[in-house]
Parts: sequence; C-alpha cells; structure tokens
Amino acid sequence: AQRVTQPEKLLSVFKGAPVELKCNYSYSGSPELFWYVQYSRQRLQLLLRHISRESIKGFTADLNKGETSFHLKKPFAQEEDSAMYYCALVYNFNKFYFGSGTKLNVKP
Amino acid sequence: DTAVSQTPKYLVTQMGNDKSIKCEQNLGHDTMYWYKQDSKKFLKIMFSYNNKELIINETVPNRFSPKSPDKAHLNLHINSLELGDSAVYFCASSPHWGSGVYEQFFGPGTRLTVL
Repeated sequence: AQRVTQPEKLLSVFKGAPVELKCNYSYSGSPELFWYVQYSRQRLQLLLRHISRESIKGFTADLNKGETSFHLKKPFAQEEDSAMYYCALVYNFNKFYFGSGTKLNVKP
Repeated sequence: DTAVSQTPKYLVTQMGNDKSIKCEQNLGHDTMYWYKQDSKKFLKIMFSYNNKELIINETVPNRFSPKSPDKAHLNLHINSLELGDSAVYFCASSPHWGSGVYEQFFGPGTRLTVL
C-alpha cells in the first residue's frame, strides 16, 4: 500500500541555520512526489515537485529511490519559511496521499 | 479572481444537524476533490470527481455525500453531524484526470465545528 511518512511533527531552527524536512514513502510503482506548504492563514499551495528538479524559495528536494525518500532542504532558513509542510505522493494517476505534515518554526 | 472558493468559511452547528459546504473553481479544471484536515493537521482525501463523475470515494461514512452539478462545482453534504466531524474541509481542483499534470489548487478551507 502506498504511504507517506513525515516523522517530525515540529521542527524548530534558528534563522540562518540549515533545515531538512524528512519525507519517506512506500509505493510499488514509479512515484510522483510533491511538497506543499501552508503558511499561516493562507491556503495550501504547491512548493515544488520532484519531476521539475527546481528550487523554489531556496528549497530543493531530491528523490532518492534507494532510500525511498524525498527530503526537503534549505541551506539558510528564513523566518518567513515558518509554515506547515506536507509531502505528497501521487498514485493511480491523480490520487494524492499526503503525509501528516511537519510544522517548521524558524526562530529569529 | 481566478481561484478555488469555498463557502462558508466557518460553520458551527449542533450534533445531529445536516449541513452543506459549497466549492467552486473557475480555473476550467476537470477534477475536483474534498479533503479533511483533522486537529492534528493530517490531510486525508475523501472524494474526487472528474467531469461530474465520482472517481475516488475513500473510506468515508455514508453520511457524507458529494454532489457535482457541473465540473466547476463540488458540494459536500453531511447528514446527522457528529462531534468527530469537526475539522477543516478543503476543496481542491486539478486540470485533468490522469494527464500527468498533477498540481492541485486548494480552496481556503471551511472550519466545521460540531457542538
């Protein structure tokens, strides 16, 4: 069965520190993986997708099929990065499975 | 404004009541979804419609009934509300089913509180 695990419910870092939000998945097929972000009082929105291999707001995520991971990283965290982050797996064409989310708190 | 909109934003009601949440998207998308976000922020898919046809129906009590009058609207009706139904309900849409374009656009959410 497909599953997405985000082991950390809360991650607190200081401004300027590196940050890594963990995401592990289990899926027998070829995964499509995403990171979504929800800032305070805003709607959930797409941050980045693994097929694009892009860097958005300084964040990157690499799909590691050997470790079945899709961790989200940023070398220098900013206070405005504080938000709820969800890792998501797409399977069966358009069925989304979201992880339980990690709240990132960047302290000044 | 091009977006996914939901009404109402907040809904407070008594146990046993029946209520509806409406969702509309003007993005021209074919596929729409309902998600439930519980108190622990876990986001779980409930239903998905593609061009007014039910595609995904997760393990949800049959007190929940989605209705899609056209592909721009997906409403959620809940009968006999229970305390455990208290949550934030998100509507979302995506361009096409199975097209490989998987980005979902979310509505602002409806916070349902059952007393």
